Amino acid sequence: AQTVTQSQPEMSVQEAETVTLSCTYDTSENNYYLFWYKQPPSRQMILVIRQEAYKQQNATENRFSVNFQKAAKSFSLKISDSQLGDTAMYFCAFILSVDATNKLIFGTGTLLAVQP
Amino acid sequence: NAGVMQNPRHLVRRRGQEARLRCSPMKGHSHVYWYRQLPEEGLKFMVYLQKENIIDESGMPKERFSAEFPKEGPSILRIQQVVRGDSAAYFCASSPVTVNTGELFFGEGSRLTVL
Repeated sequence: AQTVTQSQPEMSVQEAETVTLSCTYDTSENNYYLFWYKQPPSRQMILVIRQEAYKQQNATENRFSVNFQKAAKSFSLKISDSQLGDTAMYFCAFILSVDATNKLIFGTGTLLAVQP
Repeated sequence: NAGVMQNPRHLVRRRGQEARLRCSPMKGHSHVYWYRQLPEEGLKFMVYLQKENIIDESGMPKERFSAEFPKEGPSILRIQQVVRGDSAAYFCASSPVTVNTGELFFGEGSRLTVL
């Protein structure tokens, strides 16, 4: 069975600083996707970034980037130049490429607070 | 371009009552997913539906829970004879096609409180 672990329940960062959120996962499969989703206080989940396991290059989206270590089964999210609007719950998620039902497996989340 | 709409946003029920949660997917989306978020936990998959069909309900409790996505109208998640353990946030998501990229569009959730 696949599992996703986020070991940091809460984190805090000063505005304009950089913060890294950790995520590890477990699977015996080779082909899968990894995601970071953001859940702001309004509660609507938004996709932040996606990584295909077959790609060695780390995904980036503006101030958001990932450090994907396939052998270590690690998938951390780096947020540069943190902004107040980045305050949210962040969920790491996983899906097998062969899963035709889009059955995402989520971690328990990390609550990030950006301090002014 | 309206996103995924869920209602009610908040629902309070007493033990033994029924709860009905509704979800209208994004325009053009024909695939709906329901997830449940218990306190201090991540979202857990419950059920995946297409119009008039349940494709995968492996995450849904066998008793008291049911889901539908009729040809016309929103998807409904129904919980009969609610118990305190059903208190959670229920999220609906939609996608345009069955593409297992994990890119789902989520609603804001319905928070159920069972007294």
